[in-house]
Amino acid sequence: QKEVEQDPGPLSVPEGAIVSLNCTYSNSAFQYFMWYRQYSRKGPELLMYTYSSGNKEDGRFTAQVDKSSKYISLFIRDSQPSDSATYLCAVNAGGTSYGKLTFGQGTILTVHP
Amino acid sequence: GAGVSQTPSNKVTEKGKYVELRCDPISGHTALYWYRQSLGQGPEFLIYFQGTGAADDSGLPNDRFFAVRPEGSVSTLKIQRTERGDSAVYLCASSLGAGDTQYFGPGTRLTVL
Repeated sequence: QKEVEQDPGPLSVPEGAIVSLNCTYSNSAFQYFMWYRQYSRKGPELLMYTYSSGNKEDGRFTAQVDKSSKYISLFIRDSQPSDSATYLCAVNAGGTSYGKLTFGQGTILTVHP
Repeated sequence: GAGVSQTPSNKVTEKGKYVELRCDPISGHTALYWYRQSLGQGPEFLIYFQGTGAADDSGLPNDRFFAVRPEGSVSTLKIQRTERGDSAVYLCASSLGAGDTQYFGPGTRLTVL
């Protein structure tokens, strides 16, 4: 079993839709949670960063972490064609593993006009 | 430079050959990371440096893989006796310090024939 599970999709939505992306993880030691966006032939770029459980909002993006169920979510409101990319969740345990990110498989999202 | 740069952008080699992949981090970033991303998968951690030393090399798959960062800036990932299974995009990232936001380069696409 992978440490982080993510449905690869692909997910196709119309412009303006609300998108929900999710990951589950198995190790309760993870305490830092991130969402990265990766365009084709580019490196991942950080979208959202949260520590422990709770919600964090940034513009059209909301990240949620539920440590009790080991579940991470990213919501995109009013989705735009420019949001079309692969979305990767990533987790980190901190401590001596501070530098090591563990990624999910990535979900391919297409927003069509 | 403004971001993390990686050279070459593409590398095609034959099975059994030796390859070197280079990463130039963002100026002033003390931490540097290497990940490998296979087709349709999320990045997989290989190694990270804090300064000149490897702080965590637990992701290197075997002794054919080696990385150096002799002056605490540029890093080189070295792969000996390449195998077809080594074909992937090799991503480099850097951060101000360990645990800070990781900024990724565009990657080197390695193809082993």
